[in-house]
Amino acid sequence: AQSVTQLDSHVSVSEGTPVLLRCNYSSSYSPSLFWYVQHPNKGLQLLLKYTSAATLVKGINGFEAEFKKSETSFHLTKPSAHMSDAAEYFCVVSVSSDKLIFGTGTRLQVFP
Amino acid sequence: DAGVIQSPRHEVTEMGQEVTLRCKLISGHNSLFWYRQTMMRGLELLIYFNNNVPIDDSGMPEDRFSAKMPNASFSTLKIQPSEPRDSAVYFCAGLATGVWSEAFFGQGTRLTVV
Repeated sequence: AQSVTQLDSHVSVSEGTPVLLRCNYSSSYSPSLFWYVQHPNKGLQLLLKYTSAATLVKGINGFEAEFKKSETSFHLTKPSAHMSDAAEYFCVVSVSSDKLIFGTGTRLQVFP
Repeated sequence: DAGVIQSPRHEVTEMGQEVTLRCKLISGHNSLFWYRQTMMRGLELLIYFNNNVPIDDSGMPEDRFSAKMPNASFSTLKIQPSEPRDSAVYFCAGLATGVWSEAFFGQGTRLTVV
């Protein structure tokens, strides 16, 4: 069975410090993995996706994620947080290209 | 260009009334998902279709909820009769063909049942 676990429901950082949002997955097959961001009162926007071309994936707004098969992880990072990064982040695994499984989300707070 | 359009963006209705939410897929999708998002329960999958066929509706909360996909680019989610606890933001998403495709989300419909 496929599943995705976001290890932190809330993460708080200071502006200018690194961001780490953790995600572990379980999949019987080679997974498609995504990170989506949702700003308050907005829809979900794709940040980045893992397509097997490279294990380190770069996304928008300076975010990146590294696929580690041995650890079944796909953690999202950013070297320096900005106030505008405050949002909810969802890790998603796609199964057989016709079903999406969402993590429970991580709310990122950024303090000045 | 793949995209998803939901209507209406906001809906306020009285308890007991029928509510219909609409979702239009622009192009290139073969799967469609309906999600509900609340503060208490987060993002919940209600139902999803693949090639217009409902695959998994186990997330539909009650018989008051029904969804249809009459063609490859359009779907409706109907609540009849509506109740205050149905108040939420409802998202529609399309998943394009291809193993590495990402889902495109609509902006959501904010439903308030009073």
